[in-house]
Amino acid sequence: GAGVSQSPSNKVTEKGKDVELRCDPISGHTALYWYRQRLGQGLEFLIYFQGNSAPDKSGLPSDRFSAERTGESVSTLTIQRTQQEDSAVYLCASSPGTRSSEQYFGPGTRLTVT
Amino acid sequence: QKEVEQNSGPLSVPEGAIASLNCTYSDRGSQSFFWYRQYSGKSPELIMSIYSNGDKEDGRFTAQLNKASQYVSLLIRDSQPSDSATYLCVKWPGGGNKLTFGTGTQLKVEL
Repeated sequence: GAGVSQSPSNKVTEKGKDVELRCDPISGHTALYWYRQRLGQGLEFLIYFQGNSAPDKSGLPSDRFSAERTGESVSTLTIQRTQQEDSAVYLCASSPGTRSSEQYFGPGTRLTVT
Repeated sequence: QKEVEQNSGPLSVPEGAIASLNCTYSDRGSQSFFWYRQYSGKSPELIMSIYSNGDKEDGRFTAQLNKASQYVSLLIRDSQPSDSATYLCVKWPGGGNKLTFGTGTQLKVEL
């Protein structure tokens, strides 16, 4: 595709439920990032995948958060036992790799936990 | 000190004026920078990258990097109302390291 895509665009869930967010990076981009942006706040780094290297999980806020990526394609971010403070926009970005770290963002998934 | 610091604003400039957005950073060493623009309710959009000391111009935008003083700036000439957005200063140490985002400066271009 032409750009990074994310699904769903909006997700409303009840507290305590699990949710799965999906990201399709730009074809050929080896690096993939997940960020969280709460309303009126800056971007908060969550996790970074680079090729077949072990992911950098240093930004995950708790063990309720996990992410996977199959090769250099789709990634899923899973939040277990959602809490109201998980409500935010979850942004995915991809970049061509380490030679140029210019990131291109998807439209985001707006998660609302009720 | 935060790794990347920006004044949150809002910075208000009249239409047609030059908007100057500034960013300071810690951690000397080889750094590259990006400027992203984020409209309200939208995802960030890359507008400029700068990898070495000096100025880099692209249309109405000029990015400036001064490694000795550890600051980077973005100038927007002939500001338009459509430039009203939050501008994010982003540091990249290079290699496989992740980006560090500033919290952004809100720019308002007024008619």
